[in-house]
Amino acid sequence: AQSVTQLGSHVSVSEGALVLLRCNYSSSVPPYLFWYVQYPNQGLQLLLKYTSAATLVKGINGFEAEFKKSETSFHLTKPSAHMSDADEYFCAVSAPSGTYKYIFGTGTRLKVLA
Amino acid sequence: GAGVSQSPSNKVTEKGKDVELRCDPISGHTALYWYRQSLGQGLEFLIYFQGNSAPDKSGLPSDRFSAERTGGSVSTLTIQRTQQEDSAVYLCASSFSGERTDTQYFGPGTRLTVL
Repeated sequence: AQSVTQLGSHVSVSEGALVLLRCNYSSSVPPYLFWYVQYPNQGLQLLLKYTSAATLVKGINGFEAEFKKSETSFHLTKPSAHMSDADEYFCAVSAPSGTYKYIFGTGTRLKVLA
Repeated sequence: GAGVSQSPSNKVTEKGKDVELRCDPISGHTALYWYRQSLGQGLEFLIYFQGNSAPDKSGLPSDRFSAERTGGSVSTLTIQRTQQEDSAVYLCASSFSGERTDTQYFGPGTRLTVL
């Protein structure tokens, strides 16, 4: 069965510091992985996705993620945190067949300290 | 173009009442998903439509929940005899064709509060 685990429900970083949000997956087939951000009282917006092309994926707002099969990880990073990055982030894996519904992690709330 | 829209944005109801939640997907998207976001359960899949058919209803938590889609477009999620545990944010998403590589585009959600 597919699953994702996001380590750390809350992460705090200083403004200008590296952002690292962790996501590990479990999948019976090569996974397709997604990172979404949820703005307050809004739906989810796609940051980036991995669909078996390049292992280093660049997304919007300066975020990127690297797919590492050996570590079953897809961690989200940003070199320099901005105050505007303070939101909740979700990692998801798509089901391997059928509906391709998403299986989400439990989310990580990022706090950026001035 | 317009994104996924949902209405109402907020709904407060009394226990035992029925509610209807509406989703307007992106025009031309054949795949439509409903998810529920609640404090205890995180984000969980409810139902998937391809066109007007629902080949996967596996996430519906009980027979009080039902959904339909008409004209390959608008979808309505109905909850009968609401219970307090139904309180959550209900999110709708659509994708172009439902392929595995497709991006799902999410609406802003309907926040349901059952008193």
